[in-house]
Amino acid sequence: ELKVEQNPLFLSMQEGKNYTIYCNYSTTSDRLYWYRQDPGKSLESLFVLLSNGAVKQEGRLMASLDTKARLSTLHITAAVHDLSATYFCAVVLPAGKSTFGDGTTLTVKP
Amino acid sequence: DTEVTQTPKHLVMGMTNKKSLKCEQHMGHRAMYWYKQKAKKPPELMFVYSYEKLSINESVPSRFSPECPNSSLLNLHLHALQPEDSALYLCASSQVPGPTYLNTEAFFGQGTRLTVV
Repeated sequence: ELKVEQNPLFLSMQEGKNYTIYCNYSTTSDRLYWYRQDPGKSLESLFVLLSNGAVKQEGRLMASLDTKARLSTLHITAAVHDLSATYFCAVVLPAGKSTFGDGTTLTVKP
Repeated sequence: DTEVTQTPKHLVMGMTNKKSLKCEQHMGHRAMYWYKQKAKKPPELMFVYSYEKLSINESVPSRFSPECPNSSLLNLHLHALQPEDSALYLCASSQVPGPTYLNTEAFFGQGTRLTVV
């Protein structure tokens, strides 16, 4: 059974600071996704990571994948208030089943 | 058009009612998904359709019945639900992963917030 662990589950940051969210998973995976969800809203796709060593960046967010360590990271650079949301990683098995991490609720304070 | 449209946005139903949730996309995606999300929890995969055929059923109770009438539409038929089935139901679509499509980014609809009374 695929297990996906995210940490931390809650993160309170000051604006301008950097931080990293971690996503560990238990079995070999095809793909790893990062999503953002605002309260009461749907999920917005941030990154799709397909191969070992993949790194993708969009604005203040950068995601990476280490398939050997079964670890993905989402790095936040110089946080701003607009980044406050819940961030999920999701791991997809070759058969197509997906499992989400429990999510990291990020609050960026002035 | 990178939109997945779900209707209705909100639904209140009694335990003896029959209702349907609808999902539509026009991105040419041939994989479509239903997820259930309870408050402050991650989405849980319910069903996956690939090329209009049910490919994954995550042991979902039979009171939930999915249907994919064509490549653009996905329905979820609801019957005799329980109050614990109250949740946000999310539909998503993507390309079917394979040699042709490496980027299988999934697009989510806005969800149907279901309350069972």
